[in-house]
Amino acid sequence: AQTVTQSQPEMSVQEAETVTLSCTYDTSENNYYLFWYKQPPSRQMILVIRQEAYKQQNATENRFSVNFQKAAKSFSLKISDSQLGDTAMYFCAFMKPQGAQKLVFGQGTRLTINP
Amino acid sequence: DARVTQTPRHKVTEMGQEVTMRCQPILGHNTVFWYRQTMMQGLELLAYFRNRAPLDDSGMPKDRFSAEMPDATLATLKIQPSEPRDSAVYFCASGSRGTGELFFGEGSRLTVL
Repeated sequence: AQTVTQSQPEMSVQEAETVTLSCTYDTSENNYYLFWYKQPPSRQMILVIRQEAYKQQNATENRFSVNFQKAAKSFSLKISDSQLGDTAMYFCAFMKPQGAQKLVFGQGTRLTINP
Repeated sequence: DARVTQTPRHKVTEMGQEVTMRCQPILGHNTVFWYRQTMMQGLELLAYFRNRAPLDDSGMPKDRFSAEMPDATLATLKIQPSEPRDSAVYFCASGSRGTGELFFGEGSRLTVL
């Protein structure tokens, strides 16, 4: 079974700083998807970024980028020029493209951006 | 703007009462998931449907929980009888198989007293 581990329960940075959230996972699969979801206080789960394991290039979405290290089974999220609206819980998630296609989530990191 | 719709957003009930949560997936999506979120357990998968057929409900307590999709526009999660330990936020998510992306509803916050 796949597992996802987020080792940082909480993080706090000043506005405009860069912050990196860590995620590691365990799987014997070669092809899979990895995701970062954001959950603000409104509790809506919002997809931030997605990475396909067969792609070597790291995914980027505006101020959000990932550092995908397949051999190390590491998938960190970098937020550049952080904004107050980035304050939220962030969940790393794993999905196999075959079969059930269910998301397996990490425990989450609570990120606070301070003014 | 396509989105997953869940009702109710909030529900407070007493132990022993029946609770039904509803979800309208995005039109055209053929997979539907129910997740439960608690502080202690995080996000847990309860049940999963593909093309309205239940494929995986191994995460669901069978004695009190049931999940159905009576048609392509409605998924339901029922708890009978409810217990205080069922207090949580219940999320519905839908997706198209092969795209590798799930869209979540806003969740139903259940409090069982």
